[in-house]
Amino acid sequence: DAGVTQSPTHLIKTRGQHVTLRCSPISGHKSVSWYQQVLGQGPQFIFQYYEKEERGRGNFPDRFSARQFPNYSSELNVNALLLGDSALYLCASNSQGSFYGYTFGSGTRLTVV
Amino acid sequence: QKEVEQDPGPLSVPEGAIVSLNCTYSNSAFQYFMWYRQYSRKGPELLMYTYSSGNKEDGRFTAQVDKSSKYISLFIRDSQPSDSATYLCAMSAGGGADGLTFGKGTHLIIQP
Repeated sequence: DAGVTQSPTHLIKTRGQHVTLRCSPISGHKSVSWYQQVLGQGPQFIFQYYEKEERGRGNFPDRFSARQFPNYSSELNVNALLLGDSALYLCASNSQGSFYGYTFGSGTRLTVV
Repeated sequence: QKEVEQDPGPLSVPEGAIVSLNCTYSNSAFQYFMWYRQYSRKGPELLMYTYSSGNKEDGRFTAQVDKSSKYISLFIRDSQPSDSATYLCAMSAGGGADGLTFGKGTHLIIQP
């Protein structure tokens, strides 16, 4: 079975640009979460989606948005990129009702120059 | 004060040693406690999870939670060079709305 898949694996963008990151959850998982991991830090929660609805949001500006599609895949969008947005963006999926069974993808490494 | 404190290390021990990794936290609402292992350029991999206080053992790994002290630990017995990685503690109050709160991660090096 495929795990959580994320695309692209690496991305370089210029300040002020927009970026879209994509995630496909494990088959059967209906919940997707997004995390930002800056070098040397633990992941920070950005969003959680379940059944295409936003169920939770971390302390991130409105430049960050996300959505979940009917097939449970998800997109994370970041507008007006800043240098500080450079990080590893991780997607995690888990099954309904689980508060700890999160499976993470390998992430998208975003570099803003 | 951060919600979850974790010593970033690096922690270097010889092969075969017992490793102790720890986190402290301030939010008494946390009920679910997890340990993730992260290799370089990879996503975190769930190792252990515990609900509320108590101990849990899985092979060479033992997780302990002391809610009264707001302190959690992960012990690795008979450590192997392949255990070299960053170990992240993570916590949740449940409900999913706030996601997981992670520590900074401890970089562990097992010397052959």
